[in-house]
Amino acid sequence: QKEVEQNSGPLSVPEGAIASLNCTYSDRVSQSFFWYRQYSGKSPELIMSIYSNGDKEDGRFTAQLNKASQYVSLLIRDSQPSDSATYLCAANRDDKIIFGKGTRLHILP
Amino acid sequence: EAQVTQNPRYLITVTGKKLTVTCSQNMNHEYMSWYRQDPGLGLRQIYYSMNVEVTDKGDVPEGYKVSRKEKRNFPLILESPSPNQTSLYFCASSPTGGSRQPQHFGDGTRLSIL
Repeated sequence: QKEVEQNSGPLSVPEGAIASLNCTYSDRVSQSFFWYRQYSGKSPELIMSIYSNGDKEDGRFTAQLNKASQYVSLLIRDSQPSDSATYLCAANRDDKIIFGKGTRLHILP
Repeated sequence: EAQVTQNPRYLITVTGKKLTVTCSQNMNHEYMSWYRQDPGLGLRQIYYSMNVEVTDKGDVPEGYKVSRKEKRNFPLILESPSPNQTSLYFCASSPTGGSRQPQHFGDGTRLSIL
């Protein structure tokens, strides 16, 4: 199993709906998880970080961490066309940082 | 303004000609790292530094060197670039806590090695 795994997509979601992005991880990574958004040709920017089991909400975004099942997800409520981007899941392995390959999200107007 | 600055933003060069990509941050961050991003392979960490004079290999260090003589600067050196190092490179930094903290990314450097 890859250390941090994401479905590459594209994931198409109608405007106003909930977009659900998933990420699974292996035993090798530690317990700090991050979601970044990356627009084409731009640098990644932090959306959410999550360290504890459960949900963490910030505006339209909710990150969910389930350590027993080894997955972390990002929900985007009321999806907007500006949410169309690639979403990167990341975790730390000791002092290193491991990224998933990213999921392309396309919000349909 | 808090930022990570990379230079150059774009570079086209030839095989074997040594080059340096600079990275500077003004946030007094301890942890700095370099990534390369390739289609289908995602972001991969090349080298990281926990603090001044402390550097270590990431997952793809071959063909690269780094140094950390000052806290704010973390240059990436390609001593003999090859075409397989053509990529989009990002420098990033984070405060105390290093890999357990969110990364602040620079704007990226697009390198083409002919």
